[in-house]
Amino acid sequence: SAVISQKPSRDICQRGTSLTIQCQVDSQVTMMFWYRQQPGQSLTLIATANQGSEATYESGFVIDKFPISRPNLTFSTLTVSNMSPEDSSIYLCSVEDAENYEQYFGPGTRLTVT
Amino acid sequence: DQQVKQNSPSLSVQEGRISILNCDYTNSMFDYFLWYKKYPAEGPTFLISISSIKDKNEDGRFTVFLNKSAKHLSLHIVPSQPGDSAVYFCAASPSGTYKYIFGTGTRLKVLA
Repeated sequence: SAVISQKPSRDICQRGTSLTIQCQVDSQVTMMFWYRQQPGQSLTLIATANQGSEATYESGFVIDKFPISRPNLTFSTLTVSNMSPEDSSIYLCSVEDAENYEQYFGPGTRLTVT
Repeated sequence: DQQVKQNSPSLSVQEGRISILNCDYTNSMFDYFLWYKKYPAEGPTFLISISSIKDKNEDGRFTVFLNKSAKHLSLHIVPSQPGDSAVYFCAASPSGTYKYIFGTGTRLKVLA
């Protein structure tokens, strides 16, 4: 399984600011995913990040709000832009094991917007 | 519209007994199902999976059962241990895609 780290682990941000979350994997992976888990809710897929192409966003999520970079096969960033309290959530990156289709998750970034 | 539902937000079980966590889904296109376990301040970790061509998959103390006609799956943990106390998410993937749809989770507490 892949080992995934995320930075920061948590942050408290003011309304209107932006935060960039980093995701680092210990091996090269084709597909990386960004999820959000709002309080009391399930994990919701924000977008799929493939190296060398634009991220694919799920319904309800747009690039202007959640720009994603994927400069190489081991790293990705998610930016939460122009934050509001509704963006308070845990943000998780994950990668897929191409052999067994399992997804492995990072530890998450807990974001609180005040 | 919640396509994957875990109707029990919490469950308490005595150590050594069986824990049964349930999950219902609505989309008949789902053909791969997984269970994840999540401890506080950690990301979800994969536990066990099952494809729609099977109705049971077993891995040690963990068994997942799939009832396609009822669109229902369950995770059995036996015997339950205090270290199993965590939030359990079921997830489903539609045929031919890599996307997982997660349930809202069930918090399991195993009492010593």
